[in-house]
Amino acid sequence: GDSVTQMEGPVTLSEEAFLTINCTYTATGYPSLFWYVQYPGEGLQLLLKATKADDKGSNKGFEATYRKETTSFHLEKGSVQVSDSAVYFCALLGTASKLTFGTGTRLQVTL
Amino acid sequence: EAQVTQNPRYLITVTGKKLTVTCSQNMNHEYMSWYRQDPGLGLRQIYYSMNVEVTDKGDVPEGYKVSRKEKRNFPLILESPSPNQTSLYFCASSNRRGGISGANVLTFGAGSRLTVL
Repeated sequence: GDSVTQMEGPVTLSEEAFLTINCTYTATGYPSLFWYVQYPGEGLQLLLKATKADDKGSNKGFEATYRKETTSFHLEKGSVQVSDSAVYFCALLGTASKLTFGTGTRLQVTL
Repeated sequence: EAQVTQNPRYLITVTGKKLTVTCSQNMNHEYMSWYRQDPGLGLRQIYYSMNVEVTDKGDVPEGYKVSRKEKRNFPLILESPSPNQTSLYFCASSNRRGGISGANVLTFGAGSRLTVL
C-alpha cells in the first residue's frame, strides 16, 4: 500500500538557517503530494501541494518539488524564522482517494 | 468564517464511559474524516464519509463508531473507551472526496485531546 517516510525529528535550527525536511513515498500510479503544517495547539493546515511530476509547490517561502524519479517531495526554505517552529507532515493522495501521512517532523527554530 | 469545529477540545474520562466527540463543518463539504495522531505514528484515519449516510472504515476503526445523518455533522463515538484510545483526534472535511483530483484539500479542526484513565 501507499506509504510516506519523513526524516526523524526534531530538527533544531538557528534563525535564518536553510531548512530541508526529507520526504519519500511509495505509491502506485501518480499520487498528489502535500505538505501540511501544525502549529502548537492547532490543527493541520495545508502548506503547499503538487499534483504531477516536476511540479513545484510553494508558499510562505517554503518550496517542494515533485520528483517522480526519486519518489521524493523534500521541503525547503532558504531562511527560517522562529515563527516557522511547528510540526511538518508530508502526505500523499493515492489512487484510492485516501490521504496517507508521514509521521511528522518537528522543527524548532531558535534566535 | 469557513471552519471545522470539534468539541470538546479536551476531555479526561474513565474506561468504559461512553463519549462522543462532535464535528461540524460550515462549508457544505461532502467528504468528512476522523484521524488520530499519536507520537511516532503520524495521523491515522479512523473513519471517513463520502456523503450523508455513507461511511467507511479507515485504517484504525476498532473501538469507534461514526454516523453521518446530516451533511455538516460527523460525530465520533467511543462506546467503551479504553486507555489505548488516549490520543489527539482531528476531524477534517473536503468538498470532493478528500481531494481526489489533488485540487481539493482537507480542512482540519483544531483537535480534541482525549485521555482515558
